[in-house]
Amino acid sequence: DIQMTQSPSSLSASVGDRVTITCQASQDIKKNLNWYQQKPGKAPRFLIYDASNLETGVPSRFSGSGSGTDFTVTISSLQPEDIGTYYCQQYDDLPLTFGGGTKVEIK
Amino acid sequence: QVQLVQSGAEVKRPGASVKISCKASGYTFTDFYIHWVRQAPGQGLEWMGWVYPGNDGTSPARRFQGRVALTRDTSVSTVYLELDSLRNDDTALYFCARAHWVSGSYYLDSWGQGTLVTVTS
Repeated sequence: DIQMTQSPSSLSASVGDRVTITCQASQDIKKNLNWYQQKPGKAPRFLIYDASNLETGVPSRFSGSGSGTDFTVTISSLQPEDIGTYYCQQYDDLPLTFGGGTKVEIK
Repeated sequence: QVQLVQSGAEVKRPGASVKISCKASGYTFTDFYIHWVRQAPGQGLEWMGWVYPGNDGTSPARRFQGRVALTRDTSVSTVYLELDSLRNDDTALYFCARAHWVSGSYYLDSWGQGTLVTVTS
């Protein structure tokens, strides 16, 4: 199975800060990576596909990059509504696997 | 709009079975894979498998094979997850999610609200 490792596991930042979350795959997954945001008690929300393409309706302050084994998602200016846990997910091979999550809080 | 509506919370004894439903609307049910993902309390997301309503094909995750059944009923646009021999560590929030597959891209674009399954003696 492909292992996905996210860092940090949590972060606290101020409104307006630039925030970056990293995700590393245990093998080359090309650009077959998606990102999701989850708020407590809710279903994940799909944000980014193929490492860098924003889903329709996702604010442009979100961006994704990377290929191969190393990926990032960046929030250019953190907003209060961005709090939650972010997960990366690879679809290069079954089983689909998710990173452990990064919890984003407002300082 | 696309909607996935799941059945309500369940409380089960260890060793019992649970069957969760996920009713789809707003799109052609037989055109999209449905995946199941679960989340134990305070933990991350764990993929359980997929079902393809178009032909009833399924692919459960290896760790659940023999214990899980993924089925569908096209007459009511509903997929089901049945998990047998429940253990305490099966306590989790179970989600269904629609997979969107186009031009090589593959992502879970719509999710059900989740069904809490609590396994307790």
